[in-house]
Amino acid sequence: DAGVTQSPTHLIKTRGQQVTLRCSPKSGHDTVSWYQQALGQGPQFIFQYYEEEERQRGNFPDRFSGHQFPNYSSELNVNALLLGDSALYLCASSLFRAGSHGYTFGSGTRLTVV
Amino acid sequence: AQTVTQSQPEMSVQEAETVTLSCTYDTSESDYYLFWYKQPPSRQMILVIRQEAYKQQNATENRFSVNFQKAAKSFSLKISDSQLGDAAMYFCAYRISSGTYKYIFGTGTRLKVLA
Repeated sequence: DAGVTQSPTHLIKTRGQQVTLRCSPKSGHDTVSWYQQALGQGPQFIFQYYEEEERQRGNFPDRFSGHQFPNYSSELNVNALLLGDSALYLCASSLFRAGSHGYTFGSGTRLTVV
Repeated sequence: AQTVTQSQPEMSVQEAETVTLSCTYDTSESDYYLFWYKQPPSRQMILVIRQEAYKQQNATENRFSVNFQKAAKSFSLKISDSQLGDAAMYFCAYRISSGTYKYIFGTGTRLKVLA
């Protein structure tokens, strides 16, 4: 049973560039949430996708956008990268109707902006 | 504002001993869920234990148990018979039962297990 798969595992980008991170949820899950984890901090909620729609958004600028595909996989896009966007980006999947039961997380994408 | 506070940046425990990690949270909600997640060096967050606020009984999962004090808004994690594999970052998290999908995480406690 495949868990949550994220790609790439590491990424280095230059300020001002754009980046796309990808996530495949655990088999059977229909909801994908994205979190940003800065160094030494806990994860911060970016947004959640269900039925290909953004259901809720955290306190992140419009430079952060996402998408969910019919197969439930998801992408996180960040435009006009800033140095402060350097972080571990975690994808978490769940069943929408059982969202309070906890997430299954991927191993994250480490984004470094130089 | 809903917040989760973990006041212990780092804790150490001798192998086979017991350790307790602290977590407090601030909320005006009455129905919510609390979680402890473990993040080893592999970076993947793993659910350790979950507590429903309306349940008075403390959750237990093998060597892991919680002390949930709703009135005090406290949710500590006790790890018994600590093992080397327990070494990791531990995050406390909170989610209200309805009206939002996001989890709020604390800043984490790094647990070191000494052989």
